[in-house]
Amino acid sequence: DAGVTQSPTHLIKTRGQQVTLRCSPISGHKSVSWYQQVLGQGPQFIFQYYEKEERGRGNFPDRFSARQFPNYSSELNVNALLLGDSALYLCASSIDSYEQYFGPGTRLTVT
Amino acid sequence: RKEVEQDPGPFNVPEGATVAFNCTYSNSASQSFFWYRQDCRKEPKLLMSVYSSGNEDGRFTAQLNRASQYISLLIRDSKLSDSATYLCVVILNYQLIWGAGTKLIIKP
Repeated sequence: DAGVTQSPTHLIKTRGQQVTLRCSPISGHKSVSWYQQVLGQGPQFIFQYYEKEERGRGNFPDRFSARQFPNYSSELNVNALLLGDSALYLCASSIDSYEQYFGPGTRLTVT
Repeated sequence: RKEVEQDPGPFNVPEGATVAFNCTYSNSASQSFFWYRQDCRKEPKLLMSVYSSGNEDGRFTAQLNRASQYISLLIRDSKLSDSATYLCVVILNYQLIWGAGTKLIIKP
């Protein structure tokens, strides 16, 4: 079975631009969560979606938004990029939000 | 105080040694507990869930003490391939709250 997939794998953007990251969960998983991880720290929770509804939101500004589609795939959007948004963005899928399985991540560099 | 705290590391241990990781969490309402492993520049991978009764998977043993709000992971007979960062995770209201991780380096 395919695992969680994310695209793109790497991305370079300039300050002020907008970015959209994509995630496809494991087949049968209805929950998708997004995390931001900077070097040397654990992942920080951004959003969780379950059955296309937002179930949780972390402490991130409104520049960050997300949605989940009927096929359970998800997009994370970040507007007005800042240098500090440079990080590894991880998507995780799960059946019930508990045991989560991660995709390889999208490494975003903002210059 | 951080919501989930781990030993700062790194731990440098010889191959074959036993390694213990400790983790404390601040919110007593936390519902579920996990250990993840993360290799350099890779995504975290679920290592094991942690139950109050303790659970074992081969060389790995995890334990939860709800009264002390403490989670542990023990690795016996460590292998070179165990070198990674080990992250403690707590679930509260469907959110995964992560420790900063402890880096483990196994030396030949």
